[in-house]
Amino acid sequence: GAVVSQHPSRVICKSGTSVKIECRSLDFQATTMFWYRQFPKQSLMLMATSNEGSKATYEQGVEKDKFLINHASLTLSTLTVTSAHPEDSSFYICSAKPHRGTLFETQYFGPGTRLLVL
Amino acid sequence: AQTVTQSQPEMSVQEAETVTLSCTYDTSESNYYLFWYKQPPSRQMILVIRQEAYKQQNATENRFSVNFQKAAKSFSLKISDSQLGDTAMYFCAFMKPVGNQFYFGTGTSLTVIP
Repeated sequence: GAVVSQHPSRVICKSGTSVKIECRSLDFQATTMFWYRQFPKQSLMLMATSNEGSKATYEQGVEKDKFLINHASLTLSTLTVTSAHPEDSSFYICSAKPHRGTLFETQYFGPGTRLLVL
Repeated sequence: AQTVTQSQPEMSVQEAETVTLSCTYDTSESNYYLFWYKQPPSRQMILVIRQEAYKQQNATENRFSVNFQKAAKSFSLKISDSQLGDTAMYFCAFMKPVGNQFYFGTGTSLTVIP
């Protein structure tokens, strides 16, 4: 149980294009999802917190117009990297927190999406 | 703000031996959760063990156990009978009870030597 999927697993795009990454909780409902960015050999950096039906909360220094987050349902959150540039190349990981009362306090992570912007 | 520090960037251990990974954190919260996650080369984050700050008893999961010292804000992970499959990056994480944001340490790369 508690499986989180991400799609695509890897994507290569041209500079200036937009890329959408999906994060799905497959067997539980998640009112809250989180998006992280991880550079090679570094830790996970929280980018934003996504709550179902409301606007995402972005961490300091993260451009909300650059990284658009939508959490339209209890099982799906999307991250859109708009007008991607090479510096946006990274590994993006989502996580989902089960709805309170169903599973204990933790987050379950997706397998990540590797983005390469040429 | 919450900060999590892992002072050991790399460690190695002989197979079947025991190794301890250290983690310290700083917070003004009185209630929170602490976690150890493992990230193998596949980069999938895997939960190893969790600890609620209000529980004094140290958490244990099979070969994995923690030494939680709340006053010292220390949360170390002990891996007993190390196995080759334990080779991975290990991240210590702090979670706020309100908002549930995770704050990760910089990670410790553990290599189990056959």
